[in-house]
Formats: sequence, structure tokens, C-alpha cells
Amino acid sequence: GIQVEQSPPDLILQEGANSTLRCNFSDSVNNLQWFHQNPWGQLINLFYIPSGTKQNGRLSATTVATERYSLLYISSSQTTDSGVYFCAVERGGTSYGKLTFGQGTILTVHP
Amino acid sequence: KAGVTQTPRYLIKTRGQQVTLSCSPISGHRSVSWYQQTPGQGLQFLFEYFSETQRNKGNFPGRFSGRQFSNSRSEMNVSTLELGDSALYLCASSRDGTGELFFGEGSRLTVL
Repeated sequence: GIQVEQSPPDLILQEGANSTLRCNFSDSVNNLQWFHQNPWGQLINLFYIPSGTKQNGRLSATTVATERYSLLYISSSQTTDSGVYFCAVERGGTSYGKLTFGQGTILTVHP
Repeated sequence: KAGVTQTPRYLIKTRGQQVTLSCSPISGHRSVSWYQQTPGQGLQFLFEYFSETQRNKGNFPGRFSGRQFSNSRSEMNVSTLELGDSALYLCASSRDGTGELFFGEGSRLTVL
């Protein structure tokens, strides 16, 4: 099956710093999503971005589908950005509802 | 617009028992997917339902089953619970099983 690798596994920042999270995937995909898992376990949608670039406030994401990677940028980080960030992909075809997740990046933002 | 709703949020069972979890998708979404999250295995796909039909299934034993009702609400059942079934079970919905998935808050199961 498709492999998804996220880096770095852990990231510690001071409030106000910028960061870049990376997601590499091993095959072509129809769907790529970035999630933030909150302390209660819910996966919060950040971006649906199978290709191109999107921005939402301090967050932006870029997916280069031909090179099989995606980047999540967090600018001016805040303590509330702490948590686990997941990249997930879907291959398409008959992969209904099946996202393959990376192992996540644990982000800690200190005040 | 209400999000994906899962019940119960927390539950404790003992080995050998069975459990049923419920998921109500976002209004208008007809596809419901289920995932298991554990510290060791991460997030893994269980199965997907659309219009009361299972269209996709992950690599889990037959003890894990599900169904979907005509109103798109879904349930999953785990029979003969094992300690390793302790996990966060997440439900997601989408319009047709492709495209963007939206997740509920999860049901946290502890098996003693």
C-alpha cells in the first residue's frame, strides 16, 4: 500500500517562531488532507490540498503532486498550535473513504 | 451545520464483552468511514459505508463489523473484546467517499 512519511516527528518552538512540516508519499494520490488533532482526540481539518497552495490565516500548505510531497507552514506560532499534525492521503479509484495517515508531527509551542 | 457526532464519547468494557459505537454524519453526507487510533499502530482504516453498503474494508478481524442505516447514520460493533482493542475510534463523513473527510470527536474505548 501507499506509504506516508512525516517529518520531523517532534518539533519544539518558542511562541512567535515559524515552522515547516513535511509529508512525503510513495504513490500518486487523489486526496491529501492536513489535520490537527486536539487534546481531546478530534481531528480538525486544516487543508484539503491534493495539489497547489492554500492559505488560511497563519497557516498555509503546498502540495507538489508530481514530486509526491506536501508542506504545512505555520507562521508566528502560538501555544494553541501545540498538538499533533497529521498528513493523510487517499489513492483514489476504489479507495472509498480510506485515508492513509502518516505517523504525525508532535508540535510543542512554549510561551 | 452540525458536525459529525459520535456516541458514546467514553466507555469501559471487560474482555469478552461486545461494544457498539454510533456515528451521525454531517447532514447531506452519505459516506461514513471508521478509523481506529492506537499509540502503537497510529490511525488505521476500518471500513467505509455508502448508501447502506460497505464499499471498502481495512485489515481487521471479523470481530469488527459495521452497518449503515437509510438515514446515513452508522454503527460499528466489536465482539469478543480483547485488551488490544482499547483505542480511540473515529468516524468520518464525506459526500460520496471521495474528497474531503470530516471527523467526529471519537469514542474512547478502554478494555479491562
